[in-house]
Amino acid sequence: GENVEQHPSTLSVQEGDSAVIKCTYSDSASNYFPWYKQELGKGPQLIIDIRSNVGEKKDQRIAVTLNKTAKHFSLHITETQPEDSAVYFCAASIIGGFKTIFGAGTRLFVKA
Amino acid sequence: EPEVTQTPSHQVTQMGQEVILRCVPISNHLYFYWYRQILGQKVEFLVSFYNNEISEKSEIFDDQFSVERPDGSNFTLKIRSTKLEDSAMYFCASRTVQGNTEAFFGQGTRLTVV
Repeated sequence: GENVEQHPSTLSVQEGDSAVIKCTYSDSASNYFPWYKQELGKGPQLIIDIRSNVGEKKDQRIAVTLNKTAKHFSLHITETQPEDSAVYFCAASIIGGFKTIFGAGTRLFVKA
Repeated sequence: EPEVTQTPSHQVTQMGQEVILRCVPISNHLYFYWYRQILGQKVEFLVSFYNNEISEKSEIFDDQFSVERPDGSNFTLKIRSTKLEDSAMYFCASRTVQGNTEAFFGQGTRLTVV
């Protein structure tokens, strides 16, 4: 069945450094890749997404890249801040489809 | 800003009891979802609902589960006879249309089966 692998499971960085989280997906029909941030006690919140017709997308300190051939996509956070500390989930779905498959999550710690 | 709201925030129930988790999706949304997150694990798709019927469901969503949109605003998940392994965080989500792909999640209901 469909699967999304996410690495690393835990990531600790110094404030101001960059953080990179990587995901791979198995379903070649997937064409929409959202990234969610989950803070303690809250539901996942979309922070950025990318469609398969685009290789890269940037929003301020956050960027996402997609390699369709390799079925890889990555989240890049630059100039990390303590408030970036959270669990980040990658996900894959098909536009027009009904379900989203999530990765296992990455717990990001940003040390001040 | 419109949001998806879920009640209760925490539900404790005895094994074998029925529970109903409630969600109020964003008012102009048409597609509704339930997801489950066992503590420390990934968010898992349970079911999607559109036009008053289930669109898709996962293997987790067996005969013990059902969903309903009883009154045009609430969207409920019922677990008929809870098991210990049903203990998890349950998230409701909604979307406007399938072409608009962002799903908005509620804050979740923590279900504890004892």
